[in-house]
Amino acid sequence: QLQVQESGPGLVKPSETLSLTCTVSGGSISSRSYYWGWIRQPPGKGLEWIGSIYYSGSTYYNPSLKSRVTLSVDTFKNQFSLKLSSVTAADTAVYYCARLYNGGIKWGYYYFMDVWGKGTTVTVSS
Amino acid sequence: QSVLTQPPSASGTPGQRVTISCSGSSSNIGSNTVNWYQQLPGTAPKLLIYRSNQRPSGVPDRFSGSKSGTSASLAISGLQSEDEADYYCAAWDDSLNGLYVFGTGTKVTVL
Repeated sequence: QLQVQESGPGLVKPSETLSLTCTVSGGSISSRSYYWGWIRQPPGKGLEWIGSIYYSGSTYYNPSLKSRVTLSVDTFKNQFSLKLSSVTAADTAVYYCARLYNGGIKWGYYYFMDVWGKGTTVTVSS
Repeated sequence: QSVLTQPPSASGTPGQRVTISCSGSSSNIGSNTVNWYQQLPGTAPKLLIYRSNQRPSGVPDRFSGSKSGTSASLAISGLQSEDEADYYCAAWDDSLNGLYVFGTGTKVTVL
């Protein structure tokens, strides 16, 4: 049973860079059928897609975060990572990593997260 | 940033049928399939419906999804106490360079 788990600092200072890692277990991150992504949820609010990455390194980012986000993948460690720069209090959220399926007649036609991590809380505060 | 609109709340008594709507546009629901996620209190979201009307293994058949034009809906028949949760629709949006958008979320309460 494939699992994903987030790890990283729970507290980040304003203007610094938030860095999280997601470790994939029970399966290979190099699977050609799946992508890997990040989603966040501010306290008491809804879900926001941050971006996704393929094992080859190709990425898709939320346009609203694109200037501050970098996703990377380490196939040897079976991990993928998120970096979010210049954080503010608005970036305080629970961050989830997930496995994504993308397929169909065009990009995004079938696009969904079928395995989620438990989430990690990141607070931006001095 | 939610471009998919859901009612903030829905409720029903055990055994009743509850329906949640999700309204989008031609660039998201109108062009791509819809997914639904269930988020129980204090837990991570869980895929409930994918490709608009498919249930992952283990999801009870009292959950069903449908899509028509630029709208979608999730139906819960035979409502149970453990169905009390937040529900989110989602779909890929082809606008700009593309992004995955979630609905505003609906809190289902079992009375």
